[in-house]
Formats: sequence, C-alpha cells, structure tokens
Amino acid sequence: ILNVEQSPQSLHVQEGDSTNFTCSFPSSNFYALHWYRWETAKSPEALFVMTLNGDEKKKGRISATLNTKEGYSYLYIKGSQPEDSATYLCAFIDGTGGFKTIFGAGTRLFVKA
Amino acid sequence: GAGVSQSPRYKVTKRGQDVALRCDPISGHVSLYWYRQALGQGPEFLTYFNYEAQQDKSGLPNDRFSAERPEGSISTLTIQRTEQRDSAMYRCASSFSIAGSYNEQFFGPGTRLTVL
Repeated sequence: ILNVEQSPQSLHVQEGDSTNFTCSFPSSNFYALHWYRWETAKSPEALFVMTLNGDEKKKGRISATLNTKEGYSYLYIKGSQPEDSATYLCAFIDGTGGFKTIFGAGTRLFVKA
Repeated sequence: GAGVSQSPRYKVTKRGQDVALRCDPISGHVSLYWYRQALGQGPEFLTYFNYEAQQDKSGLPNDRFSAERPEGSISTLTIQRTEQRDSAMYRCASSFSIAGSYNEQFFGPGTRLTVL
C-alpha cells in the first residue's frame, strides 16, 4: 500500500511568519512529486513538479525541496500573507509501471492578519 | 474551453440509481485522471487514461464503478446501483503529456454526488 503522509494536518500562523510543512512518501519506485495549492471551493492548482533528488524549486515566496532517498519533501513559505491561506497537497507519482498518483491529505494553512 | 470542465456540478440521486459523471479535459491534453475526494481529504486516485486507453483502474472501489474515454477526449465515470457511501466529490484532472511524463495535472471543479 502506497502511503503519502503530510504534517502537520493544520497550521495557524501570523502574517509575516515563515513556515514549512512536510510530505513523506515511499522512497522506492519514486517517479515524481507534485505540490498543489487548494483554496476552499476551488480546484487544486499545481505549484511545483519535482523529479530529482536534491531538487529545489521556488515560486515567489514559496519554495520546496526534495529528498527521494529518505522519502520526504518540504514546502516553505516565507513571510506568510493571508492570501496564502489554503490547503497544500503533495502528490507522489509511483514509477512502477502505472504511474499512479497518490495524494496526501494535505496541510491546511491559516494565516492571520 | 479554458480549463477542465465537469458536469453536472451537483448530482443528488436515490440509492440504487445509476449515475454518469462527465469530464471534458483541456483541449489537447492527453492524460485524464479521475479522483474521489472526501470532505477535508486529498484526492483519492480512481483511474486514469492515456488517450483512450485506460492505463490503471486499480483505484476503482468495486465493479459498480467504471470509466471510459472512447475518443481520447471526454470521459465518463459511471457508478451503477449507487450506495450512500458513494457520496463524495468526484474530480477529474488532465495533463498535457502522457502520464509518466512530469507534467502537472489541471483539475476540474468537481461533481458533488449525494446519494440519498
């Protein structure tokens, strides 16, 4: 059974705080890892596609790192803003033939002004 | 269209009825995915297609669930003899290249299915 875990489940921060959360995934049969941002009542939108061990991606104040050998990825948000409030989902793409996509349950971020 | 569209957006049905959920991917997108999403949870993989070929249906919960994409574009997820436990948000997503490339997935708005 492929298990993708995200922690924490939810996070409350103040505007201006920097924060980070974790996605843990199987270290075998890794193909790719995606991060998505999902606002309530909308559809998930892709942030990053990460494929190589040691990958670091950055988009504005948001960045992510990848460690495929130990099976984790971190998402960082620098100087959180209220508009960053959303659920952040990671998705593990399994490389064993089928390329099945397995999502974590998400980390729900609340940024208070 | 500009994005992935799904219809209907909301479906209320009685237990035992069949339902068909439609997904219209972004034009030109090769891969299409179906997910089920419970409240407060991430999407749960059901099945996916490259072009018209169903590549993996291991996520379909049981044989009441089926999906097709006969012409490699629009897809239909069918649930026969619906049960209350089938109530959920059903989302579809599409990606530009075949699954197995690195492309991100673009999600539709979902169909909220309620089985009474």
